Amino acid sequence: DAKTTQPPSMDCAEGRAANLPCNHSTISGNEYVYWYRQIHSQGPQYIIHGLKNNETNEMASLIITEDRKSSTLILPHATLRDTAVYYCIVREGRDDKIIFGKGTRLHILP
Amino acid sequence: EAQVTQNPRYLITVTGKKLTVTCSQNMNHEYMSWYRQDPGLGLRQIYYSMNVEVTDKGDVPEGYKVSRKEKRNFPLILESPSPNQTSLYFCASSPLLGGGTYEQYFGPGTRLTVT
Repeated sequence: DAKTTQPPSMDCAEGRAANLPCNHSTISGNEYVYWYRQIHSQGPQYIIHGLKNNETNEMASLIITEDRKSSTLILPHATLRDTAVYYCIVREGRDDKIIFGKGTRLHILP
Repeated sequence: EAQVTQNPRYLITVTGKKLTVTCSQNMNHEYMSWYRQDPGLGLRQIYYSMNVEVTDKGDVPEGYKVSRKEKRNFPLILESPSPNQTSLYFCASSPLLGGGTYEQYFGPGTRLTVT
């Protein structure tokens, strides 16, 4: 079973901020939260990751709650090209499997 | 350019005919992995490798083999393909460094059809 829970789909108006939630209530202290997205049937693309502090890069921001049991990926100004499936995973990076789950299909509405 | 390459990109084959899908990365990554993706099921890990000569089963290893004889290559072998292995396959690699920088780089995918 996936270590994360995400809504199956979300809509967001073009130009608005898209906020994608992820629950990871069983996350351990050494596990990082990673976000990827997959456009059509292309290979998934890394977006951002974090441990406990909020993170920001040129693509997105990641907000992790203080108890680390959930996080939110924020795309600040969504465009039609952000239409994709977004995956939240947790990973320590050592000898472990990686479970992607089914992700959230984000629809950007013009 | 840092990349993960897969070959072939598209393959149609018949049941029982052995095939190999190659995967190669030029980033000197320790960790490599194979996934399959089927409609409604998301990405599921088949096998992964922590380093040369070290491989482990993922969630759906049945019917597949892998090998890791060199750091850069991680081929996926289907000894006797069956129609239920028709799928989109992705190879990925990532470093195993300290500091949590374990982002995976994915290949472009191989679409396999077994008739």
